[in-house]
Amino acid sequence: ETGVTQSPTHLIKTRGQQVTLRCSSQSGHNTVSWYQQALGQGPQFIFQYYREEENGRGNFPPRFSGLQFPNYSSELNVNALELDDSALYLCASSLGQGLFNEQFFGPGTRLTVL
Amino acid sequence: AQTVTQSQPEMSVQEAETVTLSCTYDTSESDYYLFWYKQPPSRQMILVIRQEAYKQQNATENRFSVNFQKAAKSFSLKISDSQLGDAAMYFCAYPRPGGSEKLVFGKGTKLTVNP
Repeated sequence: ETGVTQSPTHLIKTRGQQVTLRCSSQSGHNTVSWYQQALGQGPQFIFQYYREEENGRGNFPPRFSGLQFPNYSSELNVNALELDDSALYLCASSLGQGLFNEQFFGPGTRLTVL
Repeated sequence: AQTVTQSQPEMSVQEAETVTLSCTYDTSESDYYLFWYKQPPSRQMILVIRQEAYKQQNATENRFSVNFQKAAKSFSLKISDSQLGDAAMYFCAYPRPGGSEKLVFGKGTKLTVNP
């Protein structure tokens, strides 16, 4: 069974640029959630995708957008990067919906905005 | 707004001893889960233990156990026989309305294990 993978591991961008981060779900998982973890903070929920549809969004502006593909892999896109977007971006996959489905996290992508 | 509060930014423990990490949360939900996650320096978040709010019995996973006080909205993690590999950031988390996949995390507690 393949775990959750994310690419790239690290990324450096400049303010105003756009970035795409990628996540491959654990095998068989149809739900992907994205989190932003600023330095010294806990992760904050960005949004979730379930079977290719957005299924809930946190308090993030529209320049944060996402996609989920038929194979349940996912992308996080951030436009017009700001310095405060520098963070570790985590994706987590789970199987289905319900009161409890364990989330399995990837190792994250460290984004630095200069 | 739902919040999760971890009041101990840092904790340290001697190897083989016991340490307790605190967490309080605020929710109006009646049925929910609570989680403790571990994030080692490798950054990968790992689920340590979960508690179902409707269960009176505290959850236990090997050396890890919780003290769940529903009325007080308190959910502490006890690590017994601490090992060097337990050193990490520990996050308490609670699910947003709409499903347990959408988690609200505390700010974390950095645990140091001294040999």
